[in-house]
Amino acid sequence: AQKVTQAQTEISVVEKEDVTLDCVYETRDTTYYLFWYKQPPSGELVFLIRRNSFDEQNEISGRYSWNFQKSTSSFNFTITASQVVDSAVYFCALRTRGANSKLTFGKGITLSVRP
Amino acid sequence: KAGVTQTPRYLIKTRGQQVTLSCSPISGHRSVSWYQQTPGQGLQFLFEYFSETQRNKGNFPGRFSGRQFSNSRSEMNVSTLELGDSALYLCASSLTQTSGNYEQYFGPGTRLTVT
Repeated sequence: AQKVTQAQTEISVVEKEDVTLDCVYETRDTTYYLFWYKQPPSGELVFLIRRNSFDEQNEISGRYSWNFQKSTSSFNFTITASQVVDSAVYFCALRTRGANSKLTFGKGITLSVRP
Repeated sequence: KAGVTQTPRYLIKTRGQQVTLSCSPISGHRSVSWYQQTPGQGLQFLFEYFSETQRNKGNFPGRFSGRQFSNSRSEMNVSTLELGDSALYLCASSLTQTSGNYEQYFGPGTRLTVT
């Protein structure tokens, strides 16, 4: 069975602060894929990033960065210099390979960025 | 390129009725997945279709069913509606269904309220 845990439920920061969203996953598979999605108030899930289990290279994309560590089964997401438009619910998700492959989501983290 | 579209966006039904939701994937995408999102259970996988065949199914009762047409458009049906079926139903499309290494793009969802 696979599981994604997002221990933080709500985070509130002031604009321009950096914020890190934590994600811990569980799977017995050696090949798997990790995702982050953003859900703004409009409701549509927006794909942010995908990481393969065999690629631990961390990535920076503008104000976003991701830290993938297999040793601790974590896939954390950092927003640098947060903005009000970053306010949304952020979901971490996991999918394994195989016939029964399905996307398993964490419970989500509600991020509020105050001006 | 147009994104994933879902119709209708909002729906109010009465217990015991049935409902059909529609999803049109991104042009060229052949895989469609459905998810249910509720405050209590979060995002849960319903089923996935690829080339008009159901490839994977989540843990939902048989009242939940779906199908995919030759143009990749998909419908999901819920029969004998219960109050607990009130949720945001999200559809996601992807280019293919290969080994899990693909991202899904989500539609805006259909908000179903059962009274």
